[in-house]
Amino acid sequence: GENVEQHPSTLSVQEGDSAVIKCTYSDSASNYFPWYKQELGKGPQLIIDIRSNVGEKKDQRIAVTLNKTAKHFSLHITETQPEDSAVYFCAASTGTSYGKLTFGQGTILTVHP
Amino acid sequence: DADVTQTPRNRITKTGKRIMLECSQTKGHDRMYWYRQDPGLGLRLIYYSFDVKDINKGEISDGYSVSRQAQAKFSLSLESAIPNQTALYFCATSGDRKETQYFGPGTRLLVL
Repeated sequence: GENVEQHPSTLSVQEGDSAVIKCTYSDSASNYFPWYKQELGKGPQLIIDIRSNVGEKKDQRIAVTLNKTAKHFSLHITETQPEDSAVYFCAASTGTSYGKLTFGQGTILTVHP
Repeated sequence: DADVTQTPRNRITKTGKRIMLECSQTKGHDRMYWYRQDPGLGLRLIYYSFDVKDINKGEISDGYSVSRQAQAKFSLSLESAIPNQTALYFCATSGDRKETQYFGPGTRLLVL
């Protein structure tokens, strides 16, 4: 089955700096890669996603890049703010898995004012 | 997401007890999922259901069972709770865009 590895497990940055979280996946058939943000005491919420026919996607301060050849994808957050502090999860899904997601281990991002 | 609710939000139980966690959704979605979250392990799929008559095991279903009482309700049961089932449990749903999942607020379970 699919295996998703996520790094780093913790990331600490100063407000205004950029943050990058990286994930690798094992199943070359995976074609959908979402990122979820989990704030304290809440469930994960989708913040951005990318499909395998696209190399990069941006939404304001966040962007995701995908390298299908290397089987890795990354989340980039620019101009970080304290409210970006949360746990971030990457995930992967294949077209034949009927919506089932395999999640990475999570990254605790702390943005210091 | 307020459209997906979980009860209880917190629960303490003892080893050997049967416990049920409930999930309800008002999103009209057909697909529902139960996940378990442990520190450093991410979210792992326990069971999933694509409609009322469809139940499927996920990667860590041992020791758990589920019931899909209606399109909007999906319950997770621990038949005989054990301490290593102490975790944060999440329910999720997805609809027409099947890969996009919407999570409830979670249930924190402590098994003593």
